[in-house]
Amino acid sequence: EVQLVQSGAEVKKPGESLKISCKGSGYSFTSHWIGWVRQMPGKGLECMGIIYPGDSDTRYTPSFQGQVTISADKSFSTAYLQWSSLQASDTAIYYCARSVGATASDAFDIWGQGTIVTVSS
Amino acid sequence: QSVLTQPPSVSGAPGQRVTISCTGSSSDIGAGHDVHWYQQLPGTTPKLLISDDSNRPSGVPDRFSGSKSGTSASLAITGLQAEDEGDYYCQSYDSSLRGRVVFGGGTKLTVL
Repeated sequence: EVQLVQSGAEVKKPGESLKISCKGSGYSFTSHWIGWVRQMPGKGLECMGIIYPGDSDTRYTPSFQGQVTISADKSFSTAYLQWSSLQASDTAIYYCARSVGATASDAFDIWGQGTIVTVSS
Repeated sequence: QSVLTQPPSVSGAPGQRVTISCTGSSSDIGAGHDVHWYQQLPGTTPKLLISDDSNRPSGVPDRFSGSKSGTSASLAITGLQAEDEGDYYCQSYDSSLRGRVVFGGGTKLTVL
């Protein structure tokens, strides 16, 4: 079965760092893009950026560039999203999603279950 | 503000037909990039509904259909059912700069 399994919910304080993960299985991890999608409480979907694990080509949405780091370790079939200093406004559900194929504009056909990140003092 | 523009809400009675529009620009939909549609039912993960403008993944009922023209795309839902109530998002790709995935702001469908 093709699936993406994300790490568990996190509760952090402002200023703390965080790295969440997304492990792919049941398919060739290096042949599909992985996207990270933010959904703030009661709001819509925003793509933060995408990464191609095969060569680590990473494309950030401008509003997220410099705010987060997207990476992947193909040895572990796992993609990561990390923050060096969280803010309360980072409170959201974060989804990883797999592209249908090797084209950056492909649809996301497989989604992780979501990681809830809560940032509060 | 989202790159792709969708109406905030649409509604229809059971059995009726509704459409949801998605308007982009010359650097995304107008540049020829495919449009994809997702359904997010309350409390669930987004689900791919339509890919590549008009293709239905396996398991998606033929009540859902997509189309694209110029810088806009549309999702049509016929034979509305109560279980269709939820949020719908369009997605495309913006090839300006290094490229990025872009979503619409989402449309809440209410089945009356």
